[in-house]
Amino acid sequence: QSVLTQPPSASGTPGQRVTISCSGSNSNIGNHYVYWYQHLPGTAPKLLIYKNNQRPSGVPDRFSGSKSGTSASLAISGLRSEDEADYYCVAWDDSLSGWVFGGGTKLTVL
Amino acid sequence: EVQLVESGGGLVQPGGSLRLSCSASGFTFSRYWMTWVRQAPGKGLEWVANIKQGGNEKNYVDSARGRYTISRDDAKNSMYLQMNSLRVEDTAVYYCAREATSSGGFDYWGQGTLVTVSS
Repeated sequence: QSVLTQPPSASGTPGQRVTISCSGSNSNIGNHYVYWYQHLPGTAPKLLIYKNNQRPSGVPDRFSGSKSGTSASLAISGLRSEDEADYYCVAWDDSLSGWVFGGGTKLTVL
Repeated sequence: EVQLVESGGGLVQPGGSLRLSCSASGFTFSRYWMTWVRQAPGKGLEWVANIKQGGNEKNYVDSARGRYTISRDDAKNSMYLQMNSLRVEDTAVYYCAREATSSGGFDYWGQGTLVTVSS
């Protein structure tokens, strides 16, 4: 069981807006930045969001992040077929003295 | 161009050892924390260990502490993961990643190396 809790799956049709949640505690999300990664099987994970809501250069503005208290969320608007992938939230955890990942959310574009 | 290339994966019996390497290029390796992340078959990503610039601070996930040792050689732009007392549940693709200094998180990743622990 992962320290950060994500829904195992999410889905949407092309053009829709989808939100993926990530729930933690004061030892991780509550006191640290949240990062989001996109992972396609067989490839290297890709950083989508850093410091809760910042996008690296090259990441479309269709991807946005937010954080409130001990929870965070990733929103994807204008859903496209190429967005079909696994998405992970990550944060540093003070109690564990390490990084913790969410269990991952498999996004399906219907 | 930043590149991270893992090597050293393979098939090993339970109780055995393996040493993974991560070769870095395209950036000043000595200035960055570096990390290992793994993904077991059909499972999610799991952080394994990280090491500070200079190597004097290291952190491990509980399941690796006491069995794995992370190290680095800045002169060779390389990071290592010595894995001992391997278990079936250590079977995974192991990725090395760079921890970004200003933005935080893992901004560059390698393609991964597969470790299979099986008799």
